[in-house]
Amino acid sequence: AQTVTQSQPEMSVQEAETVTLSCTYDTSESNYYLFWYKQPPSRQMILVIRQEAYKQQNATENRFSVNFQKAAKSFSLKISDSQLGDTAMYFCAFTPNAGGTSYGKLTFGQGTILTVHP
Amino acid sequence: EPEVTQTPSHQVTQMGQEVILRCVPISNHLYFYWYRQILGQKVEFLVSFYNNEISEKSEIFDDQFSVERPDGSNFTLKIRSTKLEDSAMYFCASSIGRGTEAFFGQGTRLTVV
Repeated sequence: AQTVTQSQPEMSVQEAETVTLSCTYDTSESNYYLFWYKQPPSRQMILVIRQEAYKQQNATENRFSVNFQKAAKSFSLKISDSQLGDTAMYFCAFTPNAGGTSYGKLTFGQGTILTVHP
Repeated sequence: EPEVTQTPSHQVTQMGQEVILRCVPISNHLYFYWYRQILGQKVEFLVSFYNNEISEKSEIFDDQFSVERPDGSNFTLKIRSTKLEDSAMYFCASSIGRGTEAFFGQGTRLTVV
């Protein structure tokens, strides 16, 4: 079974600053995908960024980037130039790669509430 | 841009009643999911559905729950004999393949009174 752990229940950052959200996971799978989802107060789940475990290069998406350390099973999210609209709950999530017994099921961490202050 | 649509956005039901939550996944997606989020807690997997059958389900998804794809576009979650603890946000999601990103609907807030 996979587990995903987010050890920071809450984080805050000043507008325009950089913040890093932590995530660790545990799995026996060798191929998998990792995701960060954003959940604003509307409670919609929005995909922020995706990382394929077999790719060594860290994914980036505009102001969002990850630091993927496969050996350490760590997958942190860095938000640069934070904006007020980044205020949300952020969830780290894991899914095994196709070919395993899991049909794309996502396992989520507990979430980190990020508040961006003006 | 294609999106997953869920109806209703909010459902209030009496304890013991049956509810049906509806979802229209993205049209070319093949994998469908239901997740649940109790207020303030993490998102929990309920069930995945592929090729017109359940492919995986969690221990939460017991006989009280069922899913159906009745007409090739809708994907429904039925909860029988609702309990107070079924109150949660229910998310439908779909993906084009295993391991690809799941796109979530806006959720249905279920309140059991």
